[in-house]
Amino acid sequence: SAVISQKPSRDICQRGTSLTIQCQVDSQVTMMFWYRQQPGQSLTLIATANQGSEATYESGFVIDKFPISRPNLTFSTLTVSNMSPEDSSIYLCSVSVTGSNEQFFGPGTRLTVL
Amino acid sequence: AQSVTQLGSHVSVSEGALFLLRCNYSSSVPPYLFWYVQYPNQGLQLLLKYTSAATLVKGINGFEAEFKKSETSFHLTKPSAHMSDAAEYFCAVSDRAGSARQLTFGSGTQLTVLP
Repeated sequence: SAVISQKPSRDICQRGTSLTIQCQVDSQVTMMFWYRQQPGQSLTLIATANQGSEATYESGFVIDKFPISRPNLTFSTLTVSNMSPEDSSIYLCSVSVTGSNEQFFGPGTRLTVL
Repeated sequence: AQSVTQLGSHVSVSEGALFLLRCNYSSSVPPYLFWYVQYPNQGLQLLLKYTSAATLVKGINGFEAEFKKSETSFHLTKPSAHMSDAAEYFCAVSDRAGSARQLTFGSGTQLTVLP
């Protein structure tokens, strides 16, 4: 397993601003993912964070809105840019290790956009 | 392509009673199946997983799930509900041949435990 921390745990932001969320893992992992969980909804994969290269985005998500960095095997950031109230969600980081289909999740970042 | 259907967005159970949360999957290849739990204001915690060994899978805290290929189901059960089981439960399916990126979640079931 892996222990994952996220910062901040929650934030309230103004429309038009940006927020960067950090994800830190206690061990080197193969894959890191970012999910969005809108109020009352299930999880939707935003992108796979790739070390040293551009993230792989899912349909409906673009780099300009959700830029992602992964400078090493234990850390990644997700930025929610030019926020609107529709971006109010929980954003979750997850990781997976080599050869495993199992994902371990961080505690999430609860974002409210006013 | 793969998908997960969780029947019943809300389930209520009395404390001490058995409960079952339903999950049906669709997958073109043999799947891996997972149940996660999300407590209020927390991330997801893995309860159990099916990866082709025994069809009856035992997880943490007394949870079990049975993989039934003929019914394409992977329902989650617990013989005796505790108040601490109140949470949201997600079923997920992964393509065995693919990577972890292929994890697809169901819409979730909110469990309420009544005293």
